[in-house]
Amino acid sequence: DGGITQSPKYLFRKEGQNVTLSCEQNLNHDAMYWYRQDPGQGLRLIYYSQIVNDFQKGDIAEGYSVSREKKESFPLTVTSAQKNPTAFYLCASSTRAGAGNNEQFFGPGTRLTVL
Amino acid sequence: SQQGEEDPQALSIQEGENATMNCSYKTSINNLQWYRQNSGRGLVHLILIRSNEREKHSGRLRVTLDTSKKSSSLLITASRAADTASYFCATVDRGSTLGRLYFGRGTQLTVWP
Repeated sequence: DGGITQSPKYLFRKEGQNVTLSCEQNLNHDAMYWYRQDPGQGLRLIYYSQIVNDFQKGDIAEGYSVSREKKESFPLTVTSAQKNPTAFYLCASSTRAGAGNNEQFFGPGTRLTVL
Repeated sequence: SQQGEEDPQALSIQEGENATMNCSYKTSINNLQWYRQNSGRGLVHLILIRSNEREKHSGRLRVTLDTSKKSSSLLITASRAADTASYFCATVDRGSTLGRLYFGRGTQLTVWP
């Protein structure tokens, strides 16, 4: 089945630890995105990538890092520098980012809780 | 930063009734999209309307766009309990070479059986 997957579904982290959230897609999409969603809020863009080995900061990149070594994969690391990391994290992908008329396909999300 | 603002924040109706949600935005857009999110899940794309279009239909969904008022509406006709979800509008800026979406805070729709 074609789609976008995220793992794990739930993740618990102790303060001071780095954690990495996985995002994989087999849709052959060039562009991939990471969003953060807080209760009652819309989605805020953390990082996005248009092609392999290239990525740009979104609106709330501080305390996060990404890599794009493969077209299919766009992992997000939440570092200890992120002051309030407890949130729901959503990964998305789309066809060529510059098209402007492309819908985004979302994964099921990872709920991160800092203990 | 968020671009769209949905109204109302919450909407509660009975099955069979129509549900109307509105979205206002601030900049010139290339297109506007509506997404649905069931509780604790990812978003699902519903419909895309381009800036040169005024109305679009998909099944029980009807979307309108008024670029002079910078607003859009999503109408769900003959609603069902399974339509219960959060609905988000998202815009792509005109001239954007990146195609990034700006999301609103969403409308929480509850449809009672």
